[in-house]
Amino acid sequence: QVQLVQSGAEVREPGASVRVSCKASGYTFTSYYIHWVRQAPGQGLEWMGVVNPGSHYTHYVEKLQGRVAMSRDTSTTTVHMELNSLRSEDTAVYYCGRENDGITNWGQGTLVTVSS
Amino acid sequence: DIQMTQSPSSLSASVGDRVTITCRASQGISNYLAWFQQKPGKAPKSLIYAASNLQSGVPSKFSGSGSGTDFTLTISSLQPEDFATYYCQQYKSYPHTFGGGTKVEIK
Repeated sequence: QVQLVQSGAEVREPGASVRVSCKASGYTFTSYYIHWVRQAPGQGLEWMGVVNPGSHYTHYVEKLQGRVAMSRDTSTTTVHMELNSLRSEDTAVYYCGRENDGITNWGQGTLVTVSS
Repeated sequence: DIQMTQSPSSLSASVGDRVTITCRASQGISNYLAWFQQKPGKAPKSLIYAASNLQSGVPSKFSGSGSGTDFTLTISSLQPEDFATYYCQQYKSYPHTFGGGTKVEIK
């Protein structure tokens, strides 16, 4: 069965970087795009960007351009999301999701806390 | 960017009620519309894709309709496990924007 398993919670100081991983299994890794979505405490869902595991293609939301990078490692069927120059407003739960006519499968979420 | 507007932002309903949530896109998105359910502390769950197609394993009490700019999610008979927050998302063009969510609470 399709599974997306994310890395564990992280705490970072403002200005630091964080990398969240999403390991995929149960399907052909290179055939489906992976999206990243985040949710600040008590807020709604925010789409961050997408990566095509079958190529180097990525697309990011404009507000995060220059601070976010999404990549894939086909040898480990893992997608990574790195966010730099962290601010307090980046505190959120980060989700990865597999696209198959919309997002059909979700990771369990990774809490990233930005605090001094 | 395409803006997605959900209404209402919250509603109170009783077990057995029929509930309808509306999602409006700022421009036409054909049927590139998904609905998700999220319970507190949990990842979203995919309910509907392509505006009206149920994801595998989703009960038939959930239904979606619409095309272009106006969409609805209907729960035919609300059960205790359906109390949650529901989100729509367009995937016609990047960024794949979400609606603000509709919290369904117990009356």
